[in-house]
Amino acid sequence: EPEVTQTPSHQVTQMGQEVILRCVPISNHLYFYWYRQILGQKVEFLVSFYNNEISEKSEIFDDQFSVERPDGSNFTLKIRSTKLEDSAMYFCASSGGRLYNEQFFGPGTRLTVL
Amino acid sequence: ELKVEQNPLFLSMQEGKNYTIYCNYSTTSDRLYWYRQDPGKSLESLFVLLSNGAVKQEGRLMASLDTKARLSTLHITAAVHDLSATYFCAVDMDSNYQLIWGAGTKLIIKP
Repeated sequence: EPEVTQTPSHQVTQMGQEVILRCVPISNHLYFYWYRQILGQKVEFLVSFYNNEISEKSEIFDDQFSVERPDGSNFTLKIRSTKLEDSAMYFCASSGGRLYNEQFFGPGTRLTVL
Repeated sequence: ELKVEQNPLFLSMQEGKNYTIYCNYSTTSDRLYWYRQDPGKSLESLFVLLSNGAVKQEGRLMASLDTKARLSTLHITAAVHDLSATYFCAVDMDSNYQLIWGAGTKLIIKP
């Protein structure tokens, strides 16, 4: 069964460093998303991406964040200068998006900023 | 602004009992999703509800959608320990495929 994959599973970084989180969405999906979840809290939407551009972004997704689909399979989230409060679980999701928007989630990347 | 409210946020129950989790939302939508999350794990899609009156069942879980009342329910029948998890509902924003998430209901089922 097709699934969303994410790498790395855990990333530890120093405050101020850049990190890139990688995702491979389900191959025939058209819509891609990044979410984050601080431990024990709700799922927070960051950004959606369709047709090689951002379709929607939240207030959290400020100038420190960017997304890219550098090739036909990968979808990346870059945080330019990490802050302590960026520590969270980051989930990538994808959906076929034609008739409805059931999103399929990857296993997540745990980001720890020291 | 679309808001999604779940209640209760925390539920501890005994095995064998029945209970219902509620998901209210504040604006018109006829598409709602339920997800399950185990501790430290990802989100797993449980149910996709696409119209008023939709009802889906999987094992001991049954989800329904009343778009006029802007309410979805997730009913647990004869709970078993394996159903312990956090359950999220999410409502579809037609305009941009963004899902708006409830805060989650942490369900603990005690033997």
